[in-house]
Amino acid sequence: GDSVTQMEGPVTLSEEAFLTINCTYTATGYPSLFWYVQYPGEGLQLLLKATKADDKGSNKGFEATYRKETTSFHLEKGSVQVSDSAVYFCALSASYNQGGKLIFGQGTELSVKP
Amino acid sequence: DTAVSQTPKYLVTQMGNDKSIKCEQNLGHDTMYWYKQDSKKFLKIMFSYNNKELIINETVPNRFSPKSPDKAHLNLHINSLELGDSAVYFCASTHLNEQFFGPGTRLTVL
Repeated sequence: GDSVTQMEGPVTLSEEAFLTINCTYTATGYPSLFWYVQYPGEGLQLLLKATKADDKGSNKGFEATYRKETTSFHLEKGSVQVSDSAVYFCALSASYNQGGKLIFGQGTELSVKP
Repeated sequence: DTAVSQTPKYLVTQMGNDKSIKCEQNLGHDTMYWYKQDSKKFLKIMFSYNNKELIINETVPNRFSPKSPDKAHLNLHINSLELGDSAVYFCASTHLNEQFFGPGTRLTVL
């Protein structure tokens, strides 16, 4: 079945460092891909998305490009801030005949130190 | 103007009890979901309803019973609670392939 694999955390960076969180997926068909962020004690917020191959999603300085050839959707940010400390989830949206459910990776905890 | 709301936010109860979690969305979406997040933060789909009709039921014990009285509400009732049910439960609704999540309900079974 469909699945998502993320790099394991926790990831600890200094402020202004470059961030990459790897995400690869396995899916039949052409899923949409998402990054969600969960700040401590809160629910999930959509960070960015891409709906087809070569699309680039971007928001708040974060970017990810839908790479069909490598089945990847890596998250990047050029300069992280302390306020970016959170858990990041890569997800794919299963096909409509599976109810459009989200299948999540295991989450990557990011901690940014001043 | 909360989009997806859940009550209660925290729920602490004894093993064997029956409890319910409520979810409401004011976004006009047709499809709603319940997800479970375990202690390692892993998120997994439990149920989905589309316009009050069950469309996903992911190998969840039948102690869990979702109910959708109308398309804006999706409640989750849990019978005979077990220690392993302790988790954070998230409700979500969807429109155009984007899911909007509630703040979560942290259930602790003692």
